[in-house]
Amino acid sequence: KQEVTQIPAALSVPEGENLVLNCSFTDSAIYNLQWFRQDPGKGLTSLLLIQSSQREQTSGRLNASLDKSSGRSTLYIAASQPGDSATYLCAVFRTGFQKLVFGTGTRLLVSP
Amino acid sequence: DAGVIQSPRHEVTEMGQEVTLRCKPISGHNSLFWYRQTMMRGLELLIYFNNNVPIDDSGMPEDRFSAKMPNASFSTLKIQPSEPRDSAVYFCASSLISKETQYFGPGTRLLVL
Repeated sequence: KQEVTQIPAALSVPEGENLVLNCSFTDSAIYNLQWFRQDPGKGLTSLLLIQSSQREQTSGRLNASLDKSSGRSTLYIAASQPGDSATYLCAVFRTGFQKLVFGTGTRLLVSP
Repeated sequence: DAGVIQSPRHEVTEMGQEVTLRCKPISGHNSLFWYRQTMMRGLELLIYFNNNVPIDDSGMPEDRFSAKMPNASFSTLKIQPSEPRDSAVYFCASSLISKETQYFGPGTRLLVL
């Protein structure tokens, strides 16, 4: 059974810092990985999707990498802003399948 | 597009009552997913449909839970009878079968007393 863990569970940083969120999964065979953002009282918003054949994806200040051999992914946020405050979730799924397995989440607080 | 629409946004009910949650997917999407989020178990997939047909309901916790999708623009998740441990946020998401990105609704926060 696939298990997905995120470390740290919570993170508090001052505005402007670069930070890294971690995601690890137990079964790395042909898995794709997706990072989501969840704001309080709202649904999830997809940030980045890394296909199993890719190693990283970038969108603006966000960069996500995928290392299948070690079963790990990192989400790098550059020059953090208060608006980045949210819970970040990673999810894995097998190519051709639609079932997402979510991680435990990291709650991020960026202080002005 | 209005995005995925869920109703009600909040529901408070008493143990033993029937609860019905509703979801309208994004127009044109042909996959629909129901998730449950709790502090203890995180976000879990309950069931999903492709072209209105249930594909995987292995995440449905008990027979008290049932889901239907009578047409491409509407789905319900029903709990009968409800119990306090069903208290959670229930999310609906939709996507195109050919695409991997799922679009989530705002969720229904359910409290069973």
